Amino acid sequence: GAVVSQHPSWVICKSGTSVKIECRSLDFQATTMFWYRQFPKQSLMLMATSNEGSKATYEQGVEKDKFLINHASLTLSTLTVTSAHPEDSSFYICSATPGLYSYEQYFGPGTRLTVT
Amino acid sequence: RKEVEQDPGPFNVPEGATVAFNCTYSNSASQSFFWYRQDCRKEPKLLMSVYSSGNEDGRFTAQLNRASQYISLLIRDSKLSDSATYLCVVNGAGGSYIPTFGRGTSLIVHP
Repeated sequence: GAVVSQHPSWVICKSGTSVKIECRSLDFQATTMFWYRQFPKQSLMLMATSNEGSKATYEQGVEKDKFLINHASLTLSTLTVTSAHPEDSSFYICSATPGLYSYEQYFGPGTRLTVT
Repeated sequence: RKEVEQDPGPFNVPEGATVAFNCTYSNSASQSFFWYRQDCRKEPKLLMSVYSSGNEDGRFTAQLNRASQYISLLIRDSKLSDSATYLCVVNGAGGSYIPTFGRGTSLIVHP
């Protein structure tokens, strides 16, 4: 149980284009989902916390207009990287918590984004 | 002081060895503690939750010391497949779901 999927698993795009990444909880409802990015050999960096039906809460230094997050249902959150630049190339990972009183997170397999 | 600190290692141990990692946290109001394992270029996977009473899962034992504000992970009889980065996660302070990750401890088990 507690499976989270992400799509696509990898994507290459040109500078200036937008990329949408989907995060789905397959066998549970996730009231809260988190979006992270990770550069090689570095730790996970929390970008934003996404709660179903409300606006995402972004961490300091993360541009909300550049990284658009939508959490339209209890099983789906999307991250759109708008006007992508090469420095946005990274490993983007989502996670979901299965319940209101659970702090356990289950991670998606990640999306490797390369912007050329 | 960082909120969650871990020795990045790497810890280089032979197969069969016992190895222990510690993770310190700064917020005494933290409520939940976890160890995750992350393999290279993969997502983190939940290894175990950490309870005040300590918990054990096979070769893995996790403990929480609230007084000194640290959690530990003990791995007995190390296997080559245990080689990975072990992440400490702390959250729940003030009812917040926001997790705080340590930078991870790298373990390399060699033949």
